[in-house]
Formats: sequence, C-alpha cells, structure tokens
Amino acid sequence: DQQVKQNSPSLSVQEGRISILNCDYTNSMFDYFLWYKKYPAEGPTFLISISSIKDKNEDGRFTVFLNKSAKHLSLHIVPSQPGDSAVYFCAASARNAGNMLTFGGGTRLMVKP
Amino acid sequence: DGGITQSPKYLFRKEGQNVTLSCEQNLNHDAMYWYRQDPGQGLRLIYYSQIVNDFQKGDIAEGYSVSREKKESFPLTVTSAQKNPTAFYLCASSIGRVGNSPLHFGNGTRLTVT
Repeated sequence: DQQVKQNSPSLSVQEGRISILNCDYTNSMFDYFLWYKKYPAEGPTFLISISSIKDKNEDGRFTVFLNKSAKHLSLHIVPSQPGDSAVYFCAASARNAGNMLTFGGGTRLMVKP
Repeated sequence: DGGITQSPKYLFRKEGQNVTLSCEQNLNHDAMYWYRQDPGQGLRLIYYSQIVNDFQKGDIAEGYSVSREKKESFPLTVTSAQKNPTAFYLCASSIGRVGNSPLHFGNGTRLTVT
C-alpha cells in the first residue's frame, strides 16, 4: 500500500521548457513534503520542501505546489536545463508518525538539449 | 568538507554470508538512517537512530541489524536471513530530531548477493 505515489516513471522535456513532476499521497496526516533529486550511483540531494500550511514554495527555478484537498503536490522546473536530468523523488512525513519520511517511487526526468 | 561516507561503493557476497555496510558522518548530526532502494519502489526505511546507543526498526527491518556505538557511525549488517539482499543501500543523517529537517544522504553501496 503505497502512501506516496509518483505515477509517471519518466518524463522527457525540451531544454528551456517547463518540467512538471507530480506526486499524489493518500495519508491525510502528512504535513511536510519534500523533493529530492538523484543522479545515478549517488545519494539523493534535498531540493525543496513545503509545509502543509502553505500551498506554494519557490526557490529559483524550482517551485513546489501543494493541493491539500486533492492530496497532490507538483514540482515545476522553469526553465529546464540538461543538468536537471535525474530521478526526482517526492517524500512526505506526518508528525504523528514520528516524522519519518515516506518516499514515492521516483520519476526520471530527461531534459533534451 | 562535511558529509556522509559509505563504503564500499560496490560489494559482492555469496548467499548465506553476513555482510556489514559502513556509514560514517562528520556533520555532527544526531539522527542517522538506512534506506534501501529497489527499482521503481523508491526508498524504504530499514532502521533509524535518533541518538547513540538507541535505534528503531523501520518498515523493512527483517534480516538486518544495526549498531550506534558512536555518533558518527551507523553500520548496517545484512544477515543471511534477508531474503532479497541485492539492492542499493543508502545511509542518511539529519540534524536534530528525526524528521524535522531534510536528510543528507551518502552516495550509497550497491550490494550484490549471488
């Protein structure tokens, strides 16, 4: 029973265009959401996070949107660059579960020059 | 340069043998974690530790054991009881209380058991 789902295993985007990565969750107790980026043979690196009291958080080219009623979050990358090509994981945590992170299965983003 | 060091990068073992994966951090973080990554399944939590000499089971602890004798070190032993040990193992740490801050990951150890 996956509580955090990334339904698109891969996404291909042209350089300069917008990349939109989606994530759905089922646990309504989740109140903190994060995105991680992972290159092959490396550990994930933290990208951006959002608390459930917000619906948007922006950091440079990266923006995360949270729709609590739909239990959906998305990561927008604008403009996309070839160096953004990686696997992106969304993760969620809930204070009543000890704040442990639950990860989605990841989406592989390919940005074509 | 602060960070998390996992060694070795690649590890090969015969079925039935126990194997220990090393994880060292010099970030002075209190909490440490072990995750396992399988294709298409994301990261699943094996064990975590909030403080020295204390650790808790994660979602898939069966067949694994850990120790936390020092703040900097959190080795993971994959025992012969683990039915599907071949995977990519990631160690992570976080400052302060578990879950209140983003995780910092090492570069992982790919374990292959034949």
